[in-house]
Order: sequence, then structure tokens, then C-alpha cells
Amino acid sequence: SYVLTQPPSLSVAPGKTARITCGGDLTGGESVHWYHQKPGQAPVLIVYDNNDRPSGIPERFSGSNSGNTATLTISRVEAGDEADYYCQVWDSSSDHVIFGGGTKLTVL
Amino acid sequence: EVHLVESGGGLIQPGGSLRLSCAASEFIVSRNYMSWVRQAPGQGLEWVSVVYSGGTTYYADSVKGRFTISRDNSKNTLYLQMNSLRAEDTAVYYCARGEGGPKLPYDYWGQGTLVTVSS
Repeated sequence: SYVLTQPPSLSVAPGKTARITCGGDLTGGESVHWYHQKPGQAPVLIVYDNNDRPSGIPERFSGSNSGNTATLTISRVEAGDEADYYCQVWDSSSDHVIFGGGTKLTVL
Repeated sequence: EVHLVESGGGLIQPGGSLRLSCAASEFIVSRNYMSWVRQAPGQGLEWVSVVYSGGTTYYADSVKGRFTISRDNSKNTLYLQMNSLRAEDTAVYYCARGEGGPKLPYDYWGQGTLVTVSS
């Protein structure tokens, strides 16, 4: 079955850049979406179709998808960015939606 | 403004059944790609099921044959009928909208409803 792999955790100092990777079975042709989730809240879409942002999401959040790795980049990290981050794709061979295991971002 | 409101969660014994509801506002459920996604305590997101605008449904292997996704167009509501519940089904269940189809993301989520399967 299709698997997306994310690092379980990442720690970054305020003002620095966080890069969260999503790998596994990606081939580079998929549309990868990213969500963040704060404790007790529903997930929120922050990047879609590899590198587009919904309205209201700051430009500090960006994405890329190359080869077998997609990357969410958060520039000038702020304390409020502390959350769990998930990548997601649609597996066309099974018509199933796949989420990565999630990355807990800690702002030092 | 688009809203999704789940209900129907609670404590249920193993082997029991439960039906979750997801009431939608400001968009038409039957014209969208609607899913259920769950999150076990302290764990990540797990996709459960989807119903396409045309009515086609798909299920995660972990729930196939036990769960049924459906919708009531007159009530603009999405449902998840859960049978033969197991302890490992314990989770917060979210409904989510995928406006444009499976390749596109879930742009709106409900607040979730907690299902606890325990004796």
C-alpha cells in the first residue's frame, strides 16, 4: 500500500527556517497537500497542489515537490507555528487518500 | 461561510453500532467530494471513507465491510454508519470537504466528534 513518510519531530528557533519533508512512495507527479493542526483543533489546509496557498495563509509557508520528496518550508518561524504538520496525497491506483504520519514542529 | 458540524459520537461497547452525522451549510454536499477522516488519541490522521459527487464510495481497508458512508440530499448531511466497532476504532472523527475532487485538498473540516469503543 501507498505510504508517506515524515520525520516525527522537528525543532527550530524563532526567525529561522523550518523544512518538513514528506517522502516514501512519492514519484514527483502527485499533487501534495499540507495541513497543520494545533492541539484540540481540526486540521487546516496551508499548502495545496504542491506549492499553492489558500487565501489567508501567509507567504512564509511554501511547498515544493521534486523527485520522491515533497517539502513544506516555513520561513521566519514564529511561536504560533508550533503544531503538527501533515502531508496528503490521493493514490489514484486505489482511490484512497493517504496522509503522512505527521511532524510535530517545536519552536524553541 | 461554509460550516461542517459533526454529531453522533459517544461511548459504545465493542461490537456495537453508531451513526455519525455531518451537517453542512453554505454549500451542497451532493455536489462535492466528501470524506471522513479519523484521529486516534495521540496519533496522526487516518482517511476512512469518501463519497464522490456521483455517488461512488471508497473505504480504507481497516473499515471496509463495517462502515458505510452516505448522504441525505434533503438534509444536506453526510453520514457514517459504523458497525461491528472495535477498540481500535476509538478516535475523533472529522468530516471534510474536497471541493474539486480527489486530487484536490480538503478545504473545510468539521470540529470532529469523539467515538470511544470500550466495555
